Amino acid sequence: GQQVMQIPQYQHVQEGEDFTTYCNSSTTLSNIQWYKQRPGGHPVFLIQLVKSGEVKKQKRLTFQFGEAKKNSSLHITATQTTDVGTYFCAGPDTGTASKLTFGTGTRLQVTL
Amino acid sequence: DGGITQSPKYLFRKEGQNVTLSCEQNLNHDAMYWYRQDPGQGLRLIYYSQIVNDFQKGDIAEGYSVSREKKESFPLTVTSAQKNPTAFYLCASSTTGGSVEKLFFGSGTQLSVL
Repeated sequence: GQQVMQIPQYQHVQEGEDFTTYCNSSTTLSNIQWYKQRPGGHPVFLIQLVKSGEVKKQKRLTFQFGEAKKNSSLHITATQTTDVGTYFCAGPDTGTASKLTFGTGTRLQVTL
Repeated sequence: DGGITQSPKYLFRKEGQNVTLSCEQNLNHDAMYWYRQDPGQGLRLIYYSQIVNDFQKGDIAEGYSVSREKKESFPLTVTSAQKNPTAFYLCASSTTGGSVEKLFFGSGTQLSVL
């Protein structure tokens, strides 16, 4: 079945450093979504990318969808303690677009 | 205030017992989903429903059952056949099930075995 992997599994940075998480799908995706889950919380939708090579920015966050639509990345510039949490990518299942397959997640810890 | 409500927040199950997790949404969304999250893990799909009175198995449906009698409600029953039920259960909804877009999640239910 479809697999979506993320690296790294965990990253610990000091506040002000940059952070990047990478998402790789075993199959081509029609779109990729990113979610953030704060510790003890639930996932919250951040963004959706649809086009090959698409780049979107949200303040300090930059999202990119690969040319082959099989990979994506999330880059955070100058991390803050409010960025702490687990970041998940997710893509529609190849069998049916009615369900999302989530990546394994990257947990970000930010310290002062 | 629109959203998804899951209850209870914490639930304990005795061996051999069935328990039901509640999920209610007032977003008028057609599609609803149940995911299981184990510590430090990603989300795995248990069941999903694109429309009332219809639902499909996800990747880990064994030991679980659902119903979708009303648009706003999608309860999940964890049966005694589920031998390792301890996990964080998340309910979600989206506007349409045809091509799933943005998911809205509830605050989750933590299920533990006594």
